[in-house]
Amino acid sequence: DIQMTQSPSSVSASVGDRVTITCRASQGISNWLAWYQQKPGKAPNLLIYAASNLQSGVPSRFSGGGSGTDFTLTISSLQPEDFATYYCQQANSFPLTFGPGTNVDIK
Amino acid sequence: QVQLQESGPGLVKASETLSLTCTASSGSISSYYWSWIRHPPGKGLDWIGYIHYSGSNNYNPSLKSRVTISLDTSKNQFSLKLSSVTAADTAVYYCARYKHSSGWYLEHWGQGILVTVSS
Repeated sequence: DIQMTQSPSSVSASVGDRVTITCRASQGISNWLAWYQQKPGKAPNLLIYAASNLQSGVPSRFSGGGSGTDFTLTISSLQPEDFATYYCQQANSFPLTFGPGTNVDIK
Repeated sequence: QVQLQESGPGLVKASETLSLTCTASSGSISSYYWSWIRHPPGKGLDWIGYIHYSGSNNYNPSLKSRVTISLDTSKNQFSLKLSSVTAADTAVYYCARYKHSSGWYLEHWGQGILVTVSS
């Protein structure tokens, strides 16, 4: 199985801040990576797919980058509705695996 | 807009079989790939497996001996059966649909259903 790690595990930030989350795969996955946002009591929501493609309806302040083993999710200007947990997921091979999550909370 | 709804018992006894159904409100279930994912309390997301109406499927090896995912095109539903459950199978279970022709990305999710395994 491909192991996914994320850093940091938690970040405290203020509205308007730029936030970057890192995801690392245990082996190369090209650009087969997704990012999801999950709020308490809700299902995950697809934000980014194929490492850098913005899902329809997702605000442009979200962006993704990277390839191979190292990836980033950046929120350019944090909004109140962005406080949530973010997960990466590799889509390169089965079983699909997720990172442990990064919690973004209010400073 | 695609809506997915999980249904089934919220409480299952240890050693018994967990059975859940996911109903898709729009679009043909034959046109996409479908999946079950679970989220144990305090842990990360855990992919269970996928199914396609063609018969194609894949299960997480950690669960493969206990899992069956099946499709009912007449009802636009797909189902999950997990046998010999233990407390470790307590989780919120989600059904989801993959993004069409783009890779293994989960584009639409159900709201989730909490299943507790009791002893």
